[in-house]
Amino acid sequence: GAVVSQHPSRVICKSGTSVKIECRSLDFQATTMFWYRQFPKQSLMLMATSNEGSKATYEQGVEKDKFLINHASLTLSTLTVTSAHPEDSSFYICSARRTGRKGDTQYFGPGTRLTVL
Amino acid sequence: AQSVTQLGSHVSVSEGALVLLRCNYSSSVPPYLFWYVQYPNQGLQLLLKYTSAATLVKGINGFEAEFKKSETSFHLTKPSAHMSDAAEYFCAVSVTGNQFYFGTGTSLTVIP
Repeated sequence: GAVVSQHPSRVICKSGTSVKIECRSLDFQATTMFWYRQFPKQSLMLMATSNEGSKATYEQGVEKDKFLINHASLTLSTLTVTSAHPEDSSFYICSARRTGRKGDTQYFGPGTRLTVL
Repeated sequence: AQSVTQLGSHVSVSEGALVLLRCNYSSSVPPYLFWYVQYPNQGLQLLLKYTSAATLVKGINGFEAEFKKSETSFHLTKPSAHMSDAAEYFCAVSVTGNQFYFGTGTSLTVIP
């Protein structure tokens, strides 16, 4: 199956600092990647759609200046949480869209646990 | 618009018993349907997906799901639960393969 990695798996930072999370598709090229946020015992909330070579599309209510997304290559998308605050603490999951003859499928990374002190 | 409803946020079954996790969807056009499993502090792993081919879809770890258009359902089943099946399960619907709409999840507990 397709493999998507995320780095780091866990990060703890001080309030006011910025944190970058990487999402890589290891064995396929992904023109589209997605960033989700998951609160404890809740479902995934789509934050933004990342398209290679163009600006990301943000969901309503997500601050694009706070959550910077860069999709510089077909295998890498990054999410930078700028000036992080404790309320940004969450589990961030990325996925990469793989196009196939039997339709498209999203493959998910293992997630990044962000804790802002 | 698309949406997914998962009935039962918590399901408990005995080891060896049938697992049935319910998912109903709403879509104005023929959808793609997915089941994902999530273990604690991990991402989502694809169990199976329906893409308008066979209505009975077999996935990994002995799971299968049946697409029933008349009932707008895509319930997940496994004949015999194993302790390692304890996890959170998410049903998802997509039309374009781009935007996914997830259900709220069902936590499966397997009782020894």
